[in-house]
Amino acid sequence: DTGVSQDPRHKITKRGQNVTFRCDPISEHNRLYWYRQTLGQGPEFLTYFQNEAQLEKSRLLSDRFSAERPKGSFSTLEIQRTEQGDSAMYLCASSLEKSYNEQFFGPGTRLTVL
Amino acid sequence: KNEVEQSPQNLTAQEGEFITINCSYSVGISALHWLQQHPGGGIVSLFMLSSGKKKHGRLIATINIQEKHSSLHITASHPRDSAVYICAVKDTGNQFYFGTGTSLTVIP
Repeated sequence: DTGVSQDPRHKITKRGQNVTFRCDPISEHNRLYWYRQTLGQGPEFLTYFQNEAQLEKSRLLSDRFSAERPKGSFSTLEIQRTEQGDSAMYLCASSLEKSYNEQFFGPGTRLTVL
Repeated sequence: KNEVEQSPQNLTAQEGEFITINCSYSVGISALHWLQQHPGGGIVSLFMLSSGKKKHGRLIATINIQEKHSSLHITASHPRDSAVYICAVKDTGNQFYFGTGTSLTVIP
């Protein structure tokens, strides 16, 4: 399978714990995006990388959220001191810079904070 | 106010009907996407538009840049078209904004 993969698919955690999600983009894609989607809403942009550089970060993203893409391939999204309001589906997408931003989405990681 | 507004929010159609979903946006864009999301969360990109019209099978997407409006049409709808359809735009500053989606149910 050469699509975008995310791990884990589901995560249940207690409030206050830290969680980390991983996204593996399509191998030749140099752009990687993170989104968050809550029930009944459209996805919300969180951040995006071009290669290893984090180029955009949503103003809505609190300091508890951090994302990395150390070698320009896979990316991790960490949420520190989780809150119940962090419960959502976290989606990753990737694209080629030259494909006019057509994005390919991963299956998402569903986070539940108890 | 959302940068992207979709209508209707929910749509039920009989199999075979022609369906239109509308999207209006308020920001300057470099591209507009139509996405399909099935139960379970998987998202598939249907179209990416910066002008004019695109067609893929029974799906047609149009965009009017001057009016900041796009439509997604489904001809001869089928129950397997039942999904949430999401409009998303990329602004000139590389931010993406998404509509809240249109939930489509096609009844046999």
